Amino acid sequence: AQKVTQAQTEISVVEKEDVTLDCVYETRDTTYYLFWYKQPPSGELVFLIRRNSFDEQNEISGRYSWNFQKSTSSFNFTITASQVVDSAVYFCALSEGETSGSRLTFGEGTQLTVNP
Amino acid sequence: DAGITQSPRHKVTETGTPVTLRCHQTENHRYMYWYRQDPGHGLRLIHYSYGVKDTDKGEVSDGYSVSRSKTEDFLLTLESATSSQTSVYFCAISESVARVAGGLNEQFFGPGTRLTVL
Repeated sequence: AQKVTQAQTEISVVEKEDVTLDCVYETRDTTYYLFWYKQPPSGELVFLIRRNSFDEQNEISGRYSWNFQKSTSSFNFTITASQVVDSAVYFCALSEGETSGSRLTFGEGTQLTVNP
Repeated sequence: DAGITQSPRHKVTETGTPVTLRCHQTENHRYMYWYRQDPGHGLRLIHYSYGVKDTDKGEVSDGYSVSRSKTEDFLLTLESATSSQTSVYFCAISESVARVAGGLNEQFFGPGTRLTVL
C-alpha cells in the first residue's frame, strides 16, 4: 500500500528565512506521481507541482523548488526567502501509476507559519 | 482556476438524517473524486468516478454512496449521517489518470463543504 509521511507537523519561521518541508513516500510501483498542494487559511486546495517517478530533475518555480530523490524516497519542498503569504498547510501526495482512477494518498500536512 | 463548485458550502444536520452533497464541474473532465479532510488525517478518498455511472470505492467509503448521472455532476450521499461524518468534504476533478502515459493527472479541488452532524 502507498503511504506518504510528512514528519513536520508545524514549522514556524521568520520572514525571509528559507524553509524546507519534508515528504517521504512508500510505494511498490515503479511508475508513480508525486504532488504538492497548498491550503491557505481560506481553506481551498491549490495545486503546486506534479513530478513523475521517471523524472528526477529538480524543479524551480520562482521562490519554490522541489528536490526529488528516488534513492531516499523523498520529495522535499523548499521555499526561499519566505513571505507571510506563504503561511499555509502544505500537503504532499502520491498516486501510483498502475491503479485506476489516479487516487491520491495524502500526507497529514505541514502547517507553515511565516512571521513578519 | 478550474470550474468546480460544491453545494452546500456549509451544512448542519442531525444524526440519522440523509445528506447529499453536490459537486459540479464545467471542465468536462472525466474523473471526479470525493475526499474528506479531518485533523491528523490529511485528505482521504471516499469514492471516485471514472465516467458517467462508473464509480468505485476509496479508503473510507463506509456510510457513503455516490452517483454520477452526468459528466458534470458527482453526488455524495450520507444515507444516515453520524457524528463521525462531521468533516470538511472536498470534491476534485482530473482530466486523466496516472496510468495514461503523459496524462494530465493532477487533481483540482473544489472549495469544500463543511458538514457538522449533531
